[in-house]
Amino acid sequence: EDKVVQSPLSLVVHEGDTVTLNCSYEVTNFRSLLWYKQEKKAPTFLFMLTSSGIEKKSGRLSSILDKKELSSILNITATQTGDSAIYLCAVDQGGSEKLVFGKGTKLTVNP
Amino acid sequence: DAGVIQSPRHEVTEMGQEVTLRCKPISGHNSLFWYRQTMMRGLELLIYFNNNVPIDDSGMPEDRFSAKMPNASFSTLKIQPSEPRDSAVYFCASSWDRGSYTFGSGTRLTVV
Repeated sequence: EDKVVQSPLSLVVHEGDTVTLNCSYEVTNFRSLLWYKQEKKAPTFLFMLTSSGIEKKSGRLSSILDKKELSSILNITATQTGDSAIYLCAVDQGGSEKLVFGKGTKLTVNP
Repeated sequence: DAGVIQSPRHEVTEMGQEVTLRCKPISGHNSLFWYRQTMMRGLELLIYFNNNVPIDDSGMPEDRFSAKMPNASFSTLKIQPSEPRDSAVYFCASSWDRGSYTFGSGTRLTVV
């Protein structure tokens, strides 16, 4: 069965800390891995990764894919309270358009 | 663009009642997805449509669940009869290309 596992399930840090969120996957066919941020409502898109070893960056957030290890990490530097959210990892299996989601990591950034 | 629009935002209903959730995808998007999110199981795909045709409904939990997409701008997810274990947040998403998923704000369903 295809699955995506995220760790840790929850994380509490102080403003200014750097955090690393993990995502590992086991899927039949891999096309891409996506990261989403979910605050109170809908998940919003952060990154899509298709090539191993190439870092995607957006401000203080960055992500990299390791196809050999079937995993990805999402780094957030100099965290702010506005980074508090659930971060979701999803895998596009190719073939069909459906995404397989992990259960997410709940990040809480305290002032 | 108004994004993916879902209604209602919240629904509280009694067990046994019929519930209909609605979704308007982004204009020009040709794929539409219904997801359910719970604390225990995370985000699960229920069904998805491509060009208004159901492609994969393997995630629909039971015959009590049905979904339709009569045209490119509207879809419904119906639960009949509803049960307390159906309580969850139901998201609709649309896309025109892989990775362009856009989620609606969700419908929080509570069945008492």
